[in-house]
Amino acid sequence: GESVGLHLPTLSVQEGDNSIINCAYSNSASDYFIWYKQESGKGPQFIIDIRSNMDKRQGQRVTVLLNKTVKHLSLQIAATQPGDSAVYFCAETSGTYKYIFGTGTRLKVLA
Amino acid sequence: KAGVTQTPRYLIKTRGQQVTLSCSPISGHRSVSWYQQTPGQGLQFLFEYFSETQRNKGNFPGRFSGRQFSNSRSEMNVSTLELGDSALYLCATRGASGTSSTDTQYFGPGTRLTVL
Repeated sequence: GESVGLHLPTLSVQEGDNSIINCAYSNSASDYFIWYKQESGKGPQFIIDIRSNMDKRQGQRVTVLLNKTVKHLSLQIAATQPGDSAVYFCAETSGTYKYIFGTGTRLKVLA
Repeated sequence: KAGVTQTPRYLIKTRGQQVTLSCSPISGHRSVSWYQQTPGQGLQFLFEYFSETQRNKGNFPGRFSGRQFSNSRSEMNVSTLELGDSALYLCATRGASGTSSTDTQYFGPGTRLTVL
């Protein structure tokens, strides 16, 4: 499949373990944040979002944490599965209709 | 509900040519954004259209242009292609209202453009 990034940081985790993917965002005025998952040959797929008036939001097997003090966002994946292997991007927006994406992290799930 | 569709999925062009890519949004979505994705630069915003008007624009040269039709379908055009234009071009469409920047964007599968 096609590569979405040749020099991405890579996180390798054992199947069944929890994964934590981090993202530092740049704009202190950003008020909406999204995590996307991109598999080889596909477009980014929405995973979970969080607004700036929250510091935690949970979905199915995923949790997003937002720390506005240090402009940090994290995605936690519980009981990581082989199907979770992909590149994960965070995105931020501040009401300008323009999304700014992070560089991405490649998650590799080891059997 | 059908997802975002992009055509064609793959294109090979030579330097100096022009290319037109198409994006059909999710039904009811009126906002369409275009992104360029390359290994070196990641995902970069090109422009956004809403109700046939360009509402926001990234930092790309004028060779990159777009438009949106009354049915919300959008096209982007790249003229005088350069080798560095080789990339995955993604479109993303946004929620029913299209008026809030916090409506979630949903991406299409992309068009892989190769410039020789």
